[in-house]
Amino acid sequence: EVQLVESGGGLAQPGRSLRLSCAASGFNFNDYAMHWVRQVPGKGLEWLSSLSWNSDSIGYADSVKGRFTISRDNAKRSLYLEMNSLTLEDSALYYCARGRSGYSSSLIDYWGQGTLVTVSS
Amino acid sequence: QSALTQPPSASGSPGQSVTISCTGTSSDVGGYNSVSWYQHHPGKVPKLMIYAVSERPSGVPDRFSGSKSGNTASLTVSGLQAEDEAEYYCSSYAGTNMQIFGGGTKLTVL
Repeated sequence: EVQLVESGGGLAQPGRSLRLSCAASGFNFNDYAMHWVRQVPGKGLEWLSSLSWNSDSIGYADSVKGRFTISRDNAKRSLYLEMNSLTLEDSALYYCARGRSGYSSSLIDYWGQGTLVTVSS
Repeated sequence: QSALTQPPSASGSPGQSVTISCTGTSSDVGGYNSVSWYQHHPGKVPKLMIYAVSERPSGVPDRFSGSKSGNTASLTVSGLQAEDEAEYYCSSYAGTNMQIFGGGTKLTVL
């Protein structure tokens, strides 16, 4: 069974940084691209970033480009999102998700439960 | 990167069919056969219902079907059931390793 468990969310002040992690199990993590998606409570889904199986190919949404960095450690079966220069608008539930293939262009097939990030002074 | 356009709401009675549209541009929906649909019940994890425009993952009932014409993709739910009531999101590849979601459609089973 595919399982994705996010962690690292919490309260952060504007301008500060936060690092999210996602632990994967139930599939061969090395073979799949991974994504981060967020959802402001009561609003829609917003795709943020994707990373190919070998980290060679990366994509970012304009809203986070230059502030957020996606990375992975295949040996640890883990995905990360480094979030810098946080703003109030970054407050959301952050989902880790798996792509249907190893290419960062592949759309999502499985989702984690999400970790909540609140940016407030 | 504007969100794909979905109607905010859709509804139908049990047993009826309902179609949800997802309109983008030639740079996303119209440019690739890479459109997915997700079902999202409140408090639950989004679930993949359709991928590659019209393919159903294992375990998804054949009451759910997808199609695309030009820059608009569609999800049709036939034989509506109470458990189909949820938020539905479309997603498309948008080139250069980017993806985009629709704004979501709240499906109500009357």
